[in-house]
Amino acid sequence: ETGVTQTPRHLVMGMTNKKSLKCEQHLGHNAMYWYKQSAKKPLELMFVYNFKEQTENNSVPSRFSPECPNSSHLFLHLHTLQPEDSALYLCASSQEDGGANVLTFGAGSRLTVL
Amino acid sequence: GQNIDQPTEMTATEGAIVQINCTYQTSGFNGLFWYQQHAGEAPTFLSYNVLDGLEEKGRFSSFLSRSKGYSYLLLKELQMKDSASYLCAVEDSNYQLIWGAGTKLIIKP
Repeated sequence: ETGVTQTPRHLVMGMTNKKSLKCEQHLGHNAMYWYKQSAKKPLELMFVYNFKEQTENNSVPSRFSPECPNSSHLFLHLHTLQPEDSALYLCASSQEDGGANVLTFGAGSRLTVL
Repeated sequence: GQNIDQPTEMTATEGAIVQINCTYQTSGFNGLFWYQQHAGEAPTFLSYNVLDGLEEKGRFSSFLSRSKGYSYLLLKELQMKDSASYLCAVEDSNYQLIWGAGTKLIIKP
């Protein structure tokens, strides 16, 4: 596989469920990101991991919990979500080396919270 | 606050030229990016500008004026496959990416 792979592509969950989104990058990049994309809104950065260390947490509610076990894998654990959390969740990776920080995105996980 | 403005939607004709504008107010500037996102797909990198001027890449060109806080993406010889959303993003002085809401481009035959 190449690029950034996200699973599942679609997820429907109730407000009391617990689920996880998975992201895997096959590019050898040193940074991974979770973004939230809602219709007609700018991308919202949620979490950044650089060399497996979390370097950014943009005031994200605790019902979203990231996990980065190694530089190739990133998870977003979800629990007791709200309907307003329904959105497209995009994972991205990049090589942070002082040059242009070009992101490679996955196709996203479309989340619907009932 | 930091802000990126781009039109919500534009329509153009196959074979024509279209210019998508992006204006920004950010805390510092370390570069401007354009990404293309087809419906249901991942955003993909199109261009990067850090110096003033025009960067050309095939049918696509991107222009930057740092003094005006302004960029545009120029698409020539439009094809139906160019129907997509185009996202403008600026890297600020803290190397944070500030994103616009995207411009949905509709190409008509």
